[in-house]
Amino acid sequence: QSALTQPASVSGSPRQSITISCTGTSSDIGGLDYVSWYQQYPGRAPKLIIHEVKNRPSGVSDRFSGSKSGNTASLTISRLQAEDEAVYYCASYSSIKPPFLFGGGTKLTVL
Amino acid sequence: QVQVAESGGGLVKPGGSLRLSCAASGFTFSDYYMTWFRQAPGKGLEWVSYISSSGSTIYYADSVKGRFTISRDNAKNSLFLQMNSLRADDTAVYYCARGLSVAGADYWGQGTLVTVSS
Repeated sequence: QSALTQPASVSGSPRQSITISCTGTSSDIGGLDYVSWYQQYPGRAPKLIIHEVKNRPSGVSDRFSGSKSGNTASLTISRLQAEDEAVYYCASYSSIKPPFLFGGGTKLTVL
Repeated sequence: QVQVAESGGGLVKPGGSLRLSCAASGFTFSDYYMTWFRQAPGKGLEWVSYISSSGSTIYYADSVKGRFTISRDNAKNSLFLQMNSLRADDTAVYYCARGLSVAGADYWGQGTLVTVSS
């Protein structure tokens, strides 16, 4: 059981938007702005797509956006493309279980 | 460009030891935290350990505490993970990554597979 809770799967059609949630506690997501999101294709290393809740690294498409409300962080992917089909992991720094917690991952299927 | 590359994985018997290395290039290694993650076959990501830029601050996941030791050589732009008393549940792909302090990890290597089996 992962420390952060994500849905196991989400799906959407091309050009639609989807949102993946990530729920923690006040000791991690709720109390700190150190949420990050990673995209992973099968057999490949993870890639950072969002850090510090909403910041995109250079080169990451602006179709990816992050936000947070209370103990839940969210990743929104707009204008879905076939290449977005991957597993997405959220992570957060924790003030009581230093320093890094992951969600269990969400498999995105583009229909 | 920023690159990190792991090496040292392989097959080891339960109770054995292995030392992973990570070679970094394309950035000032001594300025960055470095982190080890792992991913068991078919499972999610797990944080293993991190070390601050100077090496003065180190944390371990409870699952490896007392068995694994992280270290770095800033003169050689290298990160290490000494793994002792290995168990079957340590079987995973181990990733080295450049840390954004506590805000995540921005560059990951391709991983090295560690298999613990008799």
